[in-house]
Amino acid sequence: AQSVTQLDSQVPVFEEAPVELRCNYSSSVSVYLFWYVQYPNQGLQLLLKYLSGSTLVKGINGFEAEFNKSQTSFHLRKPSVHISDTAEYFCAVTLYNTDKLIFGTGTRLQVFP
Amino acid sequence: EAGVAQSPRYKIIEKRQSVAFWCNPISGHATLYWYQQILGQGPKLLIQFQNNGVVDDSQLPKDRFSAERLKGVDSTLKIQPAKLEDSAVYLCASSRAGTSNTEAFFGQGTRLTVV
Repeated sequence: AQSVTQLDSQVPVFEEAPVELRCNYSSSVSVYLFWYVQYPNQGLQLLLKYLSGSTLVKGINGFEAEFNKSQTSFHLRKPSVHISDTAEYFCAVTLYNTDKLIFGTGTRLQVFP
Repeated sequence: EAGVAQSPRYKIIEKRQSVAFWCNPISGHATLYWYQQILGQGPKLLIQFQNNGVVDDSQLPKDRFSAERLKGVDSTLKIQPAKLEDSAVYLCASSRAGTSNTEAFFGQGTRLTVV
């Protein structure tokens, strides 16, 4: 069965600093990869997704992620964070040809002024 | 385009009581999901529908949880009787059917507190 691991439960960072949120997955078959963001008291919103093609994927709000098949990783990055990026970030996968969306445990990004 | 609607937003009940949550997906979305998100954890898939059929309910505690999507549109999730450990946010999501690479759209969730 596939699984998603987010190694960092919390990431504190100062405003305008770069940030990387780590995500690793395990699956014996091809997967599609997603990053979702959850702002306080709101539902989840899609940041970006990797389906195929270029391994570097750009999303909303200046975020990007790189798919690394050999390391089974899909780390999320932003070169310069803003206070408004403070939120919970979830990595998720679906198996090829299924609609079953499996989430990691989440990483809380806290941006300080 | 209207988003995924859920109600109620908040619910407080005593243990052993029953509770029901309602979800109306985005129009035309055939796939509907219910997730349970316990504080500090990622969303856990409880049940997945495609139209009015169940695709996956392997993690649904069937002795107390039930869900239906009778006409392939809106859905209800019921807990009967509730336990303290059921305190969580229940998220509903929907997506277009047919492929695994489509975006799932989430509602704001129902926060359940069992006391």
